Amino acid sequence: NAGVMQNPRHLVRRRGQEARLRCSPMKGHSHVYWYRQLPEEGLKFMVYLQKENIIDESGMPKERFSAEFPKEGPSILRIQQVVRGDSAAYFCASSQKTGGNTGELFFGEGSRLTVL
Amino acid sequence: DAKTTQPTSMDCAEGRAANLPCNHSTISGNEYVYWYRQIHSQGPQYIIHGLKNNETNEMASLIITEDRKSSTLILPHATLRDTAVYYCIVRPRGEYGNKLVFGAGTILRVKS
Repeated sequence: NAGVMQNPRHLVRRRGQEARLRCSPMKGHSHVYWYRQLPEEGLKFMVYLQKENIIDESGMPKERFSAEFPKEGPSILRIQQVVRGDSAAYFCASSQKTGGNTGELFFGEGSRLTVL
Repeated sequence: DAKTTQPTSMDCAEGRAANLPCNHSTISGNEYVYWYRQIHSQGPQYIIHGLKNNETNEMASLIITEDRKSSTLILPHATLRDTAVYYCIVRPRGEYGNKLVFGAGTILRVKS
């Protein structure tokens, strides 16, 4: 049973380009969460999605960042017009529908974005 | 915002038990205590969680005080591979699940 799969594992972009990070949740999981970890800092929540719905985007920067989790295919975190400050590790996690259960999150190994 | 307080760092001798404390004095009745860890450069790894009873699994034990205001994660026989940042998180139980809010955690260094 494959875990949470993220790709690419490493991505290099020049300032002004776009970055797309993909996340395939664990089998049977319908909830996806994105986190960002800046160098030498903690994990910061960005967005929580279910299939075709954004549930909580309270941690998303107001501009240039967007996320989706379509009916078919992986979740995508998109960063437009990247700047050096976007350089970070981006982690995706997934969980089952909780329905009152605790639904622990399982994390992928992250995508490391470097902006030159 | 994180609702827990943890020591910044701890050292533990290899083969000994590592006891990591966490204060969560404002925890409410419907909030669970979760523990995760992050080994350098890897994704966070789930360890254990509990509501009010003590819990044990193949990785660790979780001891929650009767008033639920604090807890202790116990790694019974720490190894060098247990060196990591350990996060104690309180998380409400909800119909649609809830995000985990990570604090600074405790850096555990296991030394030979």
